[in-house]
Amino acid sequence: DTAVSQTPKYLVTQMGNDKSIKCEQNLGHDTMYWYKQDSKKFLKIMFSYNNKELIINETVPNRFSPKSPDKAHLNLHINSLELGDSAVYFCASSQDGGVFEQYFGPGTRLTVT
Amino acid sequence: DQQVKQNSPSLSVQEGRISILNCDYTNSMFDYFLWYKKYPAEGPTFLISISSIKDKNEDGRFTVFLNKSAKHLSLHIVPSQPGDSAVYFCAASETGGGNKLTFGTGTQLKVEL
Repeated sequence: DTAVSQTPKYLVTQMGNDKSIKCEQNLGHDTMYWYKQDSKKFLKIMFSYNNKELIINETVPNRFSPKSPDKAHLNLHINSLELGDSAVYFCASSQDGGVFEQYFGPGTRLTVT
Repeated sequence: DQQVKQNSPSLSVQEGRISILNCDYTNSMFDYFLWYKKYPAEGPTFLISISSIKDKNEDGRFTVFLNKSAKHLSLHIVPSQPGDSAVYFCAASETGGGNKLTFGTGTQLKVEL
C-alpha cells in the first residue's frame, strides 16, 4: 500500500533517447510534483499539477513534459536525453488549499550515457 | 541564488545526546517551514513543520525552533538514536506560492554508538 510510487526505480539510457517516468499516488491528494536531485544532492522543483492543471513550471528545458491523465498520476516524459539530465527524479503529492507537507516517492535514478 | 541554506554538510553525535541541525533562509516571504529526513535510495520523509506564526513546534523527540528575525530555524533531536542517521533537509514555502518547496542542501547526521 505504497502512498507514492514511481516506476522505474532505475533507468539507464543513451543520449538522444526519449524516456518516461511514471508516478502514482493513492493518498487522494489533489496536487502532484516533480523534483530533480542533481549530483550535488540539491533538490529542486520542476513542475506541479493540481487536478490535472499545471500550476508550477520552473525553468526547465521544454524537452521535459509532464502529463497528468488524472489527479492520481503525474508522468514525466523527457525527449532527446542529454548527459546533464542524469539525476534522481522524485515525484511527490500533497493536499490542496494551502501549504502542506508533501509526500515523496522513492525516486527514479536516471543515468544518461 | 540559494534561498535556503544548511551550512553544515555533516554532523556527528553520540547516541543519547542532542542533535541540532541548523537552517537559514533569505526570502522573507517564506511562512511555512519543514524538515525532511532521507535515507539512501529512498525518497525524503516528512518529519515536522512549523508555521511562521509560531516559534516552536514539538513532536516526540523532534522539536523545531523558528527565529523569524534571524531568518533561522533549527531541528533538535533528543535523545538521538542510531536510526536517526540520515540526511536532513530543511525546506520552506510561502502561502500563495503553489506549495512550492525550496530545499536546503541537506545535513548528513551520523549518530554513533
